[in-house]
Amino acid sequence: QKEVEQDPGPLSVPEGAIVSLNCTYSNSAFQYFMWYRQYSRKGPELLMYTYSSGNKEDGRFTAQVDKSSKYISLFIRDSQPSDSATYLCAMTATSGSRLTFGEGTQLTVNP
Amino acid sequence: DAEITQSPRHKITETGRQVTLACHQTWNHNNMFWYRQDLGHGLRLIHYSYGVQDTNKGEVSDGYSVSRSNTEDLPLTLESAASSQTSVYFCASSRDLGNEQFFGPGTRLTVL
Repeated sequence: QKEVEQDPGPLSVPEGAIVSLNCTYSNSAFQYFMWYRQYSRKGPELLMYTYSSGNKEDGRFTAQVDKSSKYISLFIRDSQPSDSATYLCAMTATSGSRLTFGEGTQLTVNP
Repeated sequence: DAEITQSPRHKITETGRQVTLACHQTWNHNNMFWYRQDLGHGLRLIHYSYGVQDTNKGEVSDGYSVSRSNTEDLPLTLESAASSQTSVYFCASSRDLGNEQFFGPGTRLTVL
């Protein structure tokens, strides 16, 4: 069983929709949680970073962490075609150490 | 501007050949990582380094090696390329206690 599970999709939504992306994990030691965005044929880039449980909002993006359920989410409001990319969750137990990535969810936002 | 580069961007090689992929970063980061990305598996860690002369095995290290002789570079060597090593390879770096990893543009390797 993978340490981090993420539905690979693909997920296709109309422009303006609210998108929900999720990951579950099994290692209770994880306390730093990240979402990376990867455009086609590019390297991943950090999108959101959260420490421990709670919510974090940045513009149209909201990251949620529920450590009791070992579940993290990324919400995208008013989705745009430019949001079309693969979204990877990542997490680690210790700051500065190796990350464990989910498989990534491929998202397409249709105009 | 500081950056992380990988070369070559595309490589086709034959089974059994030795291949070296280059990774160079100008952020002066101590932490460097090599991943491979495949459909159905996402990003998997091959090797990583926390500083000069330090190297560590990741989850899929068999058939790969790295060496860290300076802060800027972490070359990845495939000792004897196999078709199973056909993949997209990403190099990344981060600050000592930082969790944000900065990724290179990737190298697409095909082993025939």
